[in-house]
Amino acid sequence: QPVLTQPPSASASLGASVTLTCTLSSGYSHYRVDWYQQRPGKGPRFVMRVGAGGIVGSKGDGIPDRFSVLGSGLNRYLTINNIQEEDESDYHCGADHGSGSNFVYVFGTGTKVTVL
Amino acid sequence: QLQLQESGPGLVKPSETLSLTCTVSGDSISSSTYYWGWIRQPPGKGLEWIGSIYFGGSTYYNPSLKSRITMSVDMSKNQFSLKLSSVSAGDTAVYYCARQLLLKFPSRFDHWGQGTLVTVSS
Repeated sequence: QPVLTQPPSASASLGASVTLTCTLSSGYSHYRVDWYQQRPGKGPRFVMRVGAGGIVGSKGDGIPDRFSVLGSGLNRYLTINNIQEEDESDYHCGADHGSGSNFVYVFGTGTKVTVL
Repeated sequence: QLQLQESGPGLVKPSETLSLTCTVSGDSISSSTYYWGWIRQPPGKGLEWIGSIYFGGSTYYNPSLKSRITMSVDMSKNQFSLKLSSVSAGDTAVYYCARQLLLKFPSRFDHWGQGTLVTVSS
């Protein structure tokens, strides 16, 4: 099963951009990754899914256009443009792995985004 | 509008069984398009998938928890439930229920409950 690696923290000034990275373990470059936003004290919210070719499917309900994704090699990126105070959150990536009768869903450790 | 609401005891004693229920409104739990999942988050830590269940009863469990988990569905009440046996302090966490899109396998969690904190302590 894949292992997802995320840096623990990132920051950006109000109105600037920040790019978050989720790195898949070796051998899983074709996997898709789901991004989730978790505001302080709240449950996670689905942002969007990203594969090697970019977004897969639709964004989650209410996700602004300033959120975008890219995929390259083992990396799956979430970029927040014109970052707002409300974007200060933990961001988690996750991926499903199914084979035969086996299935797991794995999460990365999350990145805390601070808006300066 | 889809809503998921977790319910159950907030305090469980060590070695006992943790029992939680998720009540779904705004969608039918017997939809063929979705699985229904449980995820937990220990204080200050990341998310951990616990397991997922289909309305027909098919389940997938986290291998690290599999021996202690039982999940079930009650279509008459539009609810699904989690039982985790032999709990210890390491099971203290916020527990979330969520809807999971079914593709070839269960996929992304597209709607989540607000979560419920369960503390394991004597």
